Amino acid sequence: QKEVEQNSGPLSVPEGAIASLNCTYSDRGSQSFFWYRQYSGKSPELIMSIYSNGDKEDGRFTAQLNKASQYVSLLIRDSQPSDSATYLCAVITSGTYKYIFGTGTRLKVLA
Amino acid sequence: GAVVSQHPSRVICKSGTSVKIECRSLDFQATTMFWYRQFPKQSLMLMATSNEGSKATYEQGVEKDKFLINHASLTLSTLTVTSAHPEDSSFYICSARVSGGVSYEQYFGPGTRLTVT
Repeated sequence: QKEVEQNSGPLSVPEGAIASLNCTYSDRGSQSFFWYRQYSGKSPELIMSIYSNGDKEDGRFTAQLNKASQYVSLLIRDSQPSDSATYLCAVITSGTYKYIFGTGTRLKVLA
Repeated sequence: GAVVSQHPSRVICKSGTSVKIECRSLDFQATTMFWYRQFPKQSLMLMATSNEGSKATYEQGVEKDKFLINHASLTLSTLTVTSAHPEDSSFYICSARVSGGVSYEQYFGPGTRLTVT
């Protein structure tokens, strides 16, 4: 069973701090990784995709991928209350183009 | 770019009736669309993969005769929940991949909240 795991949280951080969200996956052959944000009652919104080891930055967001350790993380700098949401990690495993989602981490940014 | 719409956004139906949900890619063509279901406080579960011009591929445990999928064009996929029952009440979300793209990114529609009474 190919799995993607996330800490369900809630992860609480003060406004302006860095929020760090982690995701591990079991299939070593996975090649594509995605972070989505989902507000309560809404559908997921793509934040970032990452395919290569290392860091990828987009505004306040940085995705980090380490294939050897099989984890992908998302850093949110200068966290805002509007960042409070559930963050879903999605992985495309080897031999398929379908997403496998983690259960999501609920982030609370405290004003 | 990469906008996906869904209609209706919310529907209430009586047990035993059928409900059709439409998913459209508005500014791109989508050879492949996906249908997910999400129960409260749970993650998204893939129900089926919809390919334009061919039969949908259903995930294990999803009844293909109950959840009918039609992908008639490169911008439209429909999901029909037949003979709906209260346990089918859920948040149904479609997503689409850009045709011919090198990326595997999926763009999600806003979702349809189905309540079966």
